[in-house]
Amino acid sequence: RKEVEQDPGPFNVPEGATVAFNCTYSNSASQSFFWYRQDCRKEPKLLMSVYSSGNEDGRFTAQLNRASQYISLLIRDSKLSDSATYLCVVNLNTGGFKTIFGAGTRLFVKA
Amino acid sequence: DVKVTQSSRYLVKRTGEKVFLECVQDMDHENMFWYRQDPGLGLRLIYFSYDVKMKEKGDIPEGYSVSREKKERFSLILESASTNQTSMYLCASRPIDSPYGYTFGSGTRLTIV
Repeated sequence: RKEVEQDPGPFNVPEGATVAFNCTYSNSASQSFFWYRQDCRKEPKLLMSVYSSGNEDGRFTAQLNRASQYISLLIRDSKLSDSATYLCVVNLNTGGFKTIFGAGTRLFVKA
Repeated sequence: DVKVTQSSRYLVKRTGEKVFLECVQDMDHENMFWYRQDPGLGLRLIYFSYDVKMKEKGDIPEGYSVSREKKERFSLILESASTNQTSMYLCASRPIDSPYGYTFGSGTRLTIV
């Protein structure tokens, strides 16, 4: 079983739609959580951190459920420019930091 | 604007060649990393370095080595390239003891023929 699992998609949604991605993690030593965005043929870039209480950044909302070991990303009012791959990232603290990247969820937003 | 710069965007090499991938960062970060990214597998850590002349194996170090002679430069070496090393290679840096703020280079798409 992968340490971090994501639905690869693709998710195809119309502009203006709300879309949600989940990511599950298996290691209970997981301490911090992030969503990265990766455009086609580009490098990953940090989208947002994920806090236990949930956090919002404009149209993006991230949630963490430690009991069920998953994090989620909600995108409201999708834009064409949101089309990208979204990577779930988990940091483990096992005596030192270890970062695990999910394989990503592909999102296509169409006009 | 802070940067991680990888020397080549696209590279084609022959099987058996020794291949050097260079990465330079201008943020004075202690930690530097080399990942490879393959479809469906996500980013996999090859090697990382906490400081000059220090290196640690990641999850898939076989067939690779690294060099960090200066703080800003972290080189990945494919000792004898093979076709299964065809991949996207991403260099990243991060401040010491920080779980945040990976900055990635734009990647090198390496093809071994």
